[in-house]
Amino acid sequence: KQEVTQIPAALSVPEGENLVLNCSFTDSAIYNLQWFRQDPGKGLTSLLLIQSSQREQTSGRLNASLDKSSGRSTLYIAASQPGDSATYLCAALDSNYQLIWGAGTKLIIKP
Amino acid sequence: DAGVIQSPRHEVTEMGQEVTLRCKPISGHNSLFWYRQTMMRGLELLIYFNNNVPIDDSGMPEDRFSAKMPNASFSTLKIQPSEPRDSAVYFCASSATVGGPQHFGDGTRLSIL
Repeated sequence: KQEVTQIPAALSVPEGENLVLNCSFTDSAIYNLQWFRQDPGKGLTSLLLIQSSQREQTSGRLNASLDKSSGRSTLYIAASQPGDSATYLCAALDSNYQLIWGAGTKLIIKP
Repeated sequence: DAGVIQSPRHEVTEMGQEVTLRCKPISGHNSLFWYRQTMMRGLELLIYFNNNVPIDDSGMPEDRFSAKMPNASFSTLKIQPSEPRDSAVYFCASSATVGGPQHFGDGTRLSIL
């Protein structure tokens, strides 16, 4: 059974720093790995989707990598801003086309 | 373009009452998902539809929960009778393809007293 873990559960950094959020999954048989952002009281916003055949995807200041063999994905945020404060969730699309979710990392960027 | 629209945004009702949550997916999307989010259990997939057909409802907690998708632009999640442990935020999401990026609504915050 696929399990997705995110470490750390919470992270607080000063504005301007580069940071990395981690996601690990137990079963490498995934179709893709997706990163989402959730703001308080809101739904989730899709940030990046990495297909199983890809190694990374980039969107603006965000870069997500995928290493299926080690069961890891990272989300790199460059030059962090207070507006980046949110909870970031990763999810692995399993062989049944279901997203298996991590518990999220709550990120606070201090001005 | 309109995103996924859910109603109501908030629902407070007494235990035993019937609750109906509604979702309008993004036009053209053929997959629709219902999730429940709680602090204790995180995000849980309840059921998903592809081309209006329920594909996997193994996440539906029990027979009190039912979901329908009568057409491509509307879905409901019904709880009857409701219980306090059903209190959670319920999200609807849609995607153009079953494995593609999912677009979420803002959720329905449900409180059962």
